[in-house]
Amino acid sequence: GENVGLHLPTLSVQEGDNSIINCAYSNSASDYFIWYKQESGKGPQFIIDIRSNMDKRQGQRVTVLLNKTVKHLSLQIAATQPGDSAVYFCAENPHNFNKFYFGSGTKLNVKP
Amino acid sequence: EAQVTQNPRYLITVTGKKLTVTCSQNMNHEYMSWYRQDPGLGLRQIYYSMNVEVTDKGDVPEGYKVSRKEKRNFPLILESPSPNQTSLYFCASSFSSGRMAYEQYFGPGTRLTVT
Repeated sequence: GENVGLHLPTLSVQEGDNSIINCAYSNSASDYFIWYKQESGKGPQFIIDIRSNMDKRQGQRVTVLLNKTVKHLSLQIAATQPGDSAVYFCAENPHNFNKFYFGSGTKLNVKP
Repeated sequence: EAQVTQNPRYLITVTGKKLTVTCSQNMNHEYMSWYRQDPGLGLRQIYYSMNVEVTDKGDVPEGYKVSRKEKRNFPLILESPSPNQTSLYFCASSFSSGRMAYEQYFGPGTRLTVT
């Protein structure tokens, strides 16, 4: 939504640079993770997901890394573009549990 | 086009006046869910449904009701809205195998203001 970016950590990058957005998750039983992008006034949009049997997964210009030892997830965006400016959320799903838990998000600001 | 739709997109109401926010998906998804989003708090799950006639509470269910009479629809009901339910609401749906979770597809959101 239009005010979802308030009070969020902000990452500012130059257009063309790579971006890394981090997320710490809380539940060691979580085995499925998703990154979402949310533009102002819109609903969250799926970017990429990863299951706990993997530590890296690549998509188009995006890579997700999972470190289960320290319960850390990161999203790497290559050659960041102005259209990548948005709030990014991670979500975790504990095994055999039908609920998702979302982080509060990071605002990515891409400077032209 | 595969999508989740919500209506209305914007709603201003008064305390105590019952309202319903509709949600519909055309992807034949089993799993549907409602979230609220408040500044700095991220998305919090209100209710979810694994399939028709199967619903369960999320983390913040107080003051809300849901029903799942048809697979495609999952309305959110506020019997007696209060100002602390002023928020941005999202409906989401996903495929479900029963044992594994999958990515959720979100609707465009409903901005609710209760005065």
